[in-house]
Amino acid sequence: KAGVTQTPRYLIKTRGQQVTLSCSPISGHRSVSWYQQTPGQGLQFLFEYFSETQRNKGNFPGRFSGRQFSNSRSEMNVSTLELGDSALYLCASSGTRGPNTEAFFGQGTRLTVV
Amino acid sequence: DAKTTQPNSMESNEEEPVHLPCNHSTISGTDYIHWYRQLPSQGPEYVIHGLTSNVNNRMASLAIAEDRKSSTLILHRATLRDAAVYYCILRDEEDSSYKLIFGSGTRLLVRP
Repeated sequence: KAGVTQTPRYLIKTRGQQVTLSCSPISGHRSVSWYQQTPGQGLQFLFEYFSETQRNKGNFPGRFSGRQFSNSRSEMNVSTLELGDSALYLCASSGTRGPNTEAFFGQGTRLTVV
Repeated sequence: DAKTTQPNSMESNEEEPVHLPCNHSTISGTDYIHWYRQLPSQGPEYVIHGLTSNVNNRMASLAIAEDRKSSTLILHRATLRDAAVYYCILRDEEDSSYKLIFGSGTRLLVRP
C-alpha cells in the first residue's frame, strides 16, 4: 500500500509570507504527527492529530498550526515566516495511538525561507 | 519524558554485525523502547521496538537488559544501505498520543 505522502517536496518562501504543507497518511491511519528537523535542533515534535482533533502540541509558537480532515489528511500552516523556519518538515502516520505501535514517516517537505 | 544516551558515532565493516548501544537509566516500567533510523535525505524509518523481552524482526534484533536500563540494537550483517543515524526513543504507555522525542542519535558509518 502507498506510504505517507507529503507535498510539496520543496518550497521557497519569503520572510513574512505564510505556507501550507500537506500530508496524506497511509490508508486507514488516523493519527498524524508533524516534526521539524533542523541542523541545530534536530528532530522536534510539532503536534499530533487524531480524529480531526489536536491531541498534543510541542513547544512551538502559535505561528505554527495544523488541522486534520475527515479523511485523515493533514495540513500544517506556518504564518509570518522567519528565516529560522527553514527546515525539513516531516509528517508521520500511525494506525493506532499509544506506545506499542510504530510510526511511518513521509519524505518530508524542505522549506527554505529567504 | 525519560532520557536516552547514545554514542555520537560508530563505524562498522560491511557484512559484519553491528551492536548499537542505548542507555536509559531512568526508564519506567511502562516505557517501550523504540528504534528508528534516518537514511540520508529521507524521513525516519521504524526499525524495532520492545518492552521487556528481546525482539527480532527482519531488519534487526533488540536486546534489552534485565534491569531495562540499557538496550542494544543489533544489525546482524551490516550493508552500505544501513549507514544512517539511529535513534533510541522511549515511549510511555501512559502517553496515548503518538509523540516521538528524538535525541541526537548514533551516526553509523559502514565501510565497504
